Amino acid sequence: DAGVIQSPRHEVTEMGQEVTLRCKPISGHNSLFWYRQTMMRGLELLIYFNNNVPIDDSGMPEDRFSAKMPNASFSTLKIQPSEPRDSAVYFCASRRTGGETQYFGPGTRLLVL
Amino acid sequence: AQRVTQPEKLLSVFKGAPVELKCNYSYSGSPELFWYVQYSRQRLQLLLRHISRESIKGFTADLNKGETSFHLKKPFAQEEDSAMYYCALQGGSEKLVFGKGTKLTVNP
Repeated sequence: DAGVIQSPRHEVTEMGQEVTLRCKPISGHNSLFWYRQTMMRGLELLIYFNNNVPIDDSGMPEDRFSAKMPNASFSTLKIQPSEPRDSAVYFCASRRTGGETQYFGPGTRLLVL
Repeated sequence: AQRVTQPEKLLSVFKGAPVELKCNYSYSGSPELFWYVQYSRQRLQLLLRHISRESIKGFTADLNKGETSFHLKKPFAQEEDSAMYYCALQGGSEKLVFGKGTKLTVNP
């Protein structure tokens, strides 16, 4: 298994543009998590899904952020419009229900100019 | 509320010296606690969890419920241990709450 796959690995965009981050969880994992990592705030959970259903989105910073999971093997995190303060590394993680841990993807490094 | 505190942002030791990365938590129930490690520009990976009570790469961590702590220890640090270390707590849901991390540097 290739593990959790994220794309793109790096994204540079201008303020006001739409950004879409993608994640493919490990096959058979029922839960998927989106995190944001910054120097100031560390790792923050944005949203998580269980069986493709959003369970907790209390960490989503504002309406500019949205996440979907149309099927068990794909999720997107969208920022529209993007702002410089959104610059961060965004991680996706997945976990098998009842499993011992979350497995993280390599992250997407986002820079909004 | 669930909270994880890692009081040291940076920790620097010499190779061969003992190292302890501190983690304190706040949770009213029985938590599951984890240590994750992130080597330079790599993905986070699980280092150890308190339930398994195992030693990974020479690291151990003991859950102290009285002090609500889960400090990570290694008796003899190696240069390859240099990384970012995150303590994490899982309470009644699937959510992991992370501390802000400690950057460990092991000097030669």
